[in-house]
Amino acid sequence: SSELTQDPAVSVALGQTVRIRCQGDNLRSYYANWYQQKPGQAPVLVIYGKSNRPSGISDRFSGSSSGDTAYFTITGAQAEDEADYYCNSRDSSANHLFGGGTKLTVL
Amino acid sequence: QVQLVESGGGLVKPGGSLRLSCAASGFTFSDYYMSWIRQAPGKGLEWVSYMSNTGKTISYADSVKGRFTISRDNAKKLLYLQMNSLRVGDTAVYYCARDNEEVNQVLYERYFYMDVWGKGTTVTVSS
Repeated sequence: SSELTQDPAVSVALGQTVRIRCQGDNLRSYYANWYQQKPGQAPVLVIYGKSNRPSGISDRFSGSSSGDTAYFTITGAQAEDEADYYCNSRDSSANHLFGGGTKLTVL
Repeated sequence: QVQLVESGGGLVKPGGSLRLSCAASGFTFSDYYMSWIRQAPGKGLEWVSYMSNTGKTISYADSVKGRFTISRDNAKKLLYLQMNSLRVGDTAVYYCARDNEEVNQVLYERYFYMDVWGKGTTVTVSS
């Protein structure tokens, strides 16, 4: 079955760079999108397509991909970046697919 | 501004039914596919269903197929999710989201993403 796999938890020191990984066969056909979710809030789209940022999203956020793996990078992590991050793409039936999420801790 | 507002959540017994609504504003609702996504307590996001802008194309996650029905009223700018035969495992916050598609004509690439989300409505299935 189609699935997207993410590391459950990642930590980064304040001001450092962190990369969050998302792996799945479908990423060879579709780009990954990335959503940030803070406790008690709805998800927010932060990266879509190759590495596109919606209006108002920090330029510290970027995306990339290689083969079956997509990466979400935060350059110069800030305390407010502490959140859950979800990757999303499509499966072979064009249905939406989400990764299990990565809890980012900023130390 | 562009906004989605869900309503209709509540407490229901196993086997019961509930209808969720999602009111759209600030954009041309009839131009967009729309999705429902849910999140069980302490868990990740799970896509539930989507409907095309015309209503002709519909898809469901296997976990809800045959029990949930998505629909829309473009004139009223409303998206619905009729949930029948509810189970304890359906307990979650339910979000509606706008499906967007963008074509990069320079790179010949197509992007699919959900760019607007509501705040969600909570559904609790418990006896």
